[in-house]
Amino acid sequence: DTGVSQNPRHKITKRGQNVTFRCDPISEHNRLYWYRQTLGQGPEFLTYFQNEAQLEKSRLLSDRFSAERPKGSFSTLEIQRTEQGDSAMYLCASSPTDLWTTGELFFGEGSRLTVL
Amino acid sequence: GENVEQHPSTLSVQEGDSAVIKCTYSDSASNYFPWYKQELGKRPQLIIDIRSNVGEKKDQRIAVTLNKTAKHFSLHITETQPEDSAVYFCAASEDYSGSARQLTFGSGTQLTVLP
Repeated sequence: DTGVSQNPRHKITKRGQNVTFRCDPISEHNRLYWYRQTLGQGPEFLTYFQNEAQLEKSRLLSDRFSAERPKGSFSTLEIQRTEQGDSAMYLCASSPTDLWTTGELFFGEGSRLTVL
Repeated sequence: GENVEQHPSTLSVQEGDSAVIKCTYSDSASNYFPWYKQELGKRPQLIIDIRSNVGEKKDQRIAVTLNKTAKHFSLHITETQPEDSAVYFCAASEDYSGSARQLTFGSGTQLTVLP
């Protein structure tokens, strides 16, 4: 499967714990995005990378959220001191830099977080 | 920032009938409008998109129309089939050379096609 891969698919944690999600994008895609989707809502943009550079992070929900893409390939999203309101599906997506010929974002299956 | 409103939130149609989903957006700088389909437990997938330099685009049974003056766009599905049942999301973003896909999504429409 050469699509976007995310793991773990499901994570149950207790309030106050830290969690980390990993995303492996389509290999030839320079851009990688993180979105959050809560029940009954559309995905909400969080941050994105161009290669290893994080070009937009003002939409991260709080300073408890951080993301990295150290070598410009896979990315991690970390949530520190989780709260029940962090329970959601965390979606990763990737795209090529040139979006004019194809505008598509390719999403992964998501990582579902449940905070007890 | 951009705000996208989508309606209806649920839509049931008989197989073979047409379905129409409507969205409005607030930011006049937005010029790229995709539609994503998300089946239960699956990833969102692009089904059609339109840029503001065109008013309508068709792909087989699916069409999207855009009215930039009124800031609204619509998805039309004709001859609906049971496999069209899913949640459909509209979205909007700016689209220029070097731009990234910082999409603002609507809240989704659950389409059910009844056999």
